Amino acid sequence: EAGVVQSPRYKIIEKKQPVAFWCNPISGHNTLYWYLQNLGQGPELLIRYENEEAVDDSQLPKDRFSAERLKGVDSTLKIQPAELGDSAVYLCASSLVPPNNQPQHFGDGTRLSIL
Amino acid sequence: AQTVTQSQPEMSVQEAETVTLSCTYDTSESDYYLFWYKQPPSRQMILVIRQEAYKQQNATENRFSVNFQKAAKSFSLKISDSQLGDAAMYFCAFYNTDKLIFGTGTRLQVFP
Repeated sequence: EAGVVQSPRYKIIEKKQPVAFWCNPISGHNTLYWYLQNLGQGPELLIRYENEEAVDDSQLPKDRFSAERLKGVDSTLKIQPAELGDSAVYLCASSLVPPNNQPQHFGDGTRLSIL
Repeated sequence: AQTVTQSQPEMSVQEAETVTLSCTYDTSESDYYLFWYKQPPSRQMILVIRQEAYKQQNATENRFSVNFQKAAKSFSLKISDSQLGDAAMYFCAFYNTDKLIFGTGTRLQVFP
């Protein structure tokens, strides 16, 4: 089966510019996650979707970050405006439902660099 | 709140030898899941092994096995017959209800 696909792999932008990341989960996985991974750290959850509903967005900085998952398949994560501290890897993952005993499958991530 | 601690930032092992990576966690829950994920440089995170807390038997996947000590809240990963391809960051993760919580990772180097 095809894995979780993310694009772009790398993105370099200047601070205060907007940026968007795209994720296509594994077919049939209705739970989708966005994680933030800082250098030398483990991933931290930003938002979790079940189908098109964001069921946990408590860690998403809503003043500058937004996400959507139209039709419960692909998802987009946006930052506007980007700040220097947003430089990190943004990971997308998906799993089957129920999620509690299903492993999460990760994409390659998008490495964001802010100049 | 649940926390996951990996106290070894870096480990190294000779090819064909055995290495153990440590992980401890803190939770008040009795039902949960534990995972080890591998993240090679610039590549995606891959599930290595999974342990259900209600199972007393330690999980095993080929050369990878865990030592799960529920009372001590310890979940170590043993890699036997280490191979060059095992070099990566290894993350221990705790799952309960709806959130996967990762440790800070251990970088494993494998020397020929």
